[in-house]
Amino acid sequence: AQKITQTQPGMFVQEKEAVTLDCTYDTSDQSYGLFWYKQPSSGEMIFLIYQGSYDEQNATEGRYSLNFQKARKSANLVISASQLGDSAMYFCAMRDGGTGGFKTIFGAGTRLFVKA
Amino acid sequence: EADIYQTPRYLVIGTGKKITLECSQTMGHDKMYWYQQDPGMELHLIHYSYGVNSTEKGDLSSESTVSRIRTEHFPLTLESARPSHTSQYLCASSEGGQGVYEQYFGPGTRLTVT
Repeated sequence: AQKITQTQPGMFVQEKEAVTLDCTYDTSDQSYGLFWYKQPSSGEMIFLIYQGSYDEQNATEGRYSLNFQKARKSANLVISASQLGDSAMYFCAMRDGGTGGFKTIFGAGTRLFVKA
Repeated sequence: EADIYQTPRYLVIGTGKKITLECSQTMGHDKMYWYQQDPGMELHLIHYSYGVNSTEKGDLSSESTVSRIRTEHFPLTLESARPSHTSQYLCASSEGGQGVYEQYFGPGTRLTVT
């Protein structure tokens, strides 16, 4: 069965520093996608970054990068130059890319606190 | 920017009432989803839809029902609300096909059943 594990319930980072949020996954599928979402206190879910299982290069989107280590089944999110507005819950998610498969499972989330 | 809408944003209702949470998207996405999320906790899929007239139950058992009569509309109904239904409900949509596409989320409905 597919599973997403986020082992850090809460993380603190100083403003302007980089932070890594951990995510490990378990799947028997060969084709899958990994996502990170941000959820501010207002409650909406904001898509940040995506990594496909066949992508050879790590995904990057502005200050966000995904450290994808397929053999270790990890997909850590790296936020560079943290800003106060980065304080939020961050969810790692996985969806299989097989025939019509589109059920997404989410990890328990990591709450990030950015200190001024 | 994603165009997916949920109403109401907040709802406080008494036990036993019937409620419908609305979700609409203007992106023409085939796939739509409903998630239930307690504050600060993970999301649980309760319903999803491949397209018009196609609905399936998700991984988390839910007493709610859904319908998909139009591509853009995916309402969720609770026939008789209970305090255990108090939660946030998030609607999402994504493109169809074989690829792996990100989901676009609505702003959520925070439901409180008294």
